[in-house]
Amino acid sequence: RKEVEQDPGPFNVPEGATVAFNCTYSNSASQSFFWYRQDCRKEPKLLMSVYSSGNEDGRFTAQLNRASQYISLLIRDSKLSDSATYLCVVNMETTDSWGKLQFGAGTQVVVTP
Amino acid sequence: DGGITQSPKYLFRKEGQNVTLSCEQNLNHDAMYWYRQDPGQGLRLIYYSQIVNDFQKGDIAEGYSVSREKKESFPLTVTSAQKNPTAFYLCATSPLAGTQYFGPGTRLTVL
Repeated sequence: RKEVEQDPGPFNVPEGATVAFNCTYSNSASQSFFWYRQDCRKEPKLLMSVYSSGNEDGRFTAQLNRASQYISLLIRDSKLSDSATYLCVVNMETTDSWGKLQFGAGTQVVVTP
Repeated sequence: DGGITQSPKYLFRKEGQNVTLSCEQNLNHDAMYWYRQDPGQGLRLIYYSQIVNDFQKGDIAEGYSVSREKKESFPLTVTSAQKNPTAFYLCATSPLAGTQYFGPGTRLTVL
């Protein structure tokens, strides 16, 4: 079983609509969580960290559910520029695996006019 | 101009050759990382370094080597022992226990 799993998509979203997708993680000791955005053939870029209480950054909302071991990302009022692959990233901060991140394979979002 | 630079952007290698990928940063970050990305898969950690002159193997270190002689530089050598080296290679840096930031990547193709 993969440590971080994501629905690969693609999620086809009309411009202006809302899209949401989840990511599940297997290690209950995971301490911190992130969403990165990756455009085609480019490097991943940090979109937002995910906090226990949930957090919002403009049109983006991230939630963490520790009991069920998943995080989610919701995008409101989708723009064409939101088309990208969204990577779920989980950090297991233990003594032996300091700073080691586990990456999901990504969820592709395609926003259409 | 600040940030992380990787060179070259594209690299073609014949089978049996060693090649070295460059990663330089001027962010004064202590930690540096090398990842490999293959289609349909998450990034996989090759090597990482938390301090100069020290580095640790990641999940897929076989066929790769690194050095960390300077804080700013963390070059990766892909040796002929790496069976499937064609991939997108990403270097990342972070402050100690901080968020990781990525360079623009090097796309390696074996001919």
